[in-house]
Amino acid sequence: DSGVTQTPKHLITATGQRVTLRCSPRSGDLSVYWYQQSLDQGLQFLIHYYNGEERAKGNILERFSAQQFPDLHSELNLSSLELGDSALYFCASSVGSGINTGELFFGEGSRLTVL
Amino acid sequence: DAKTTQPNSMESNEEEPVHLPCNHSTISGTDYIHWYRQLPSQGPEYVIHGLTSNVNNRMASLAIAEDRKSSTLILHRATLRDAAVYYCILRDTNRDDKIIFGKGTRLHILP
Repeated sequence: DSGVTQTPKHLITATGQRVTLRCSPRSGDLSVYWYQQSLDQGLQFLIHYYNGEERAKGNILERFSAQQFPDLHSELNLSSLELGDSALYFCASSVGSGINTGELFFGEGSRLTVL
Repeated sequence: DAKTTQPNSMESNEEEPVHLPCNHSTISGTDYIHWYRQLPSQGPEYVIHGLTSNVNNRMASLAIAEDRKSSTLILHRATLRDAAVYYCILRDTNRDDKIIFGKGTRLHILP
């Protein structure tokens, strides 16, 4: 158990819909990272938050947005869903950022299926 | 984009040593070399990391070339439970906000 909690574990929805994925980092970790993993693809970096502030963005679609709340949990919002958005979405947390990042701890992922 | 190059897949026999290569020819002086692995149906987990010297821990060893343009993750005695995707990534200690994973190497262990 990494200490990172992601909900829901599985989600099935239709094209055009909107979903929210939630991540609770390990106790004491200030950084949250979101990754997308499609079939046969590696981990695609989406976005990084540190202590409530956005620190880096990857190839995140405009239909996707995220935020980190004062209690440090994070949510990834996916809207106007398309079939191609079906994937595993992973959240990871770490103690700090930059030189103080430390090891990444990953959750078990949220599997999104868009029909 | 990932700054490392790894073979797509490798096979090894159970209880044999495994050497997983990684090329990172554009590595900078402040880049640490990290390895993670992703077991089936799980999120990735940290394996080991190093800067210049070879490193050992309970999971694996990391051998880093003298010019730092390549490294090798060594599993001394592979078990079936080591079958996973292994990712080699570079982390810049000055700019660590984007942590980019590539596609990794899928390691198959033959019984």
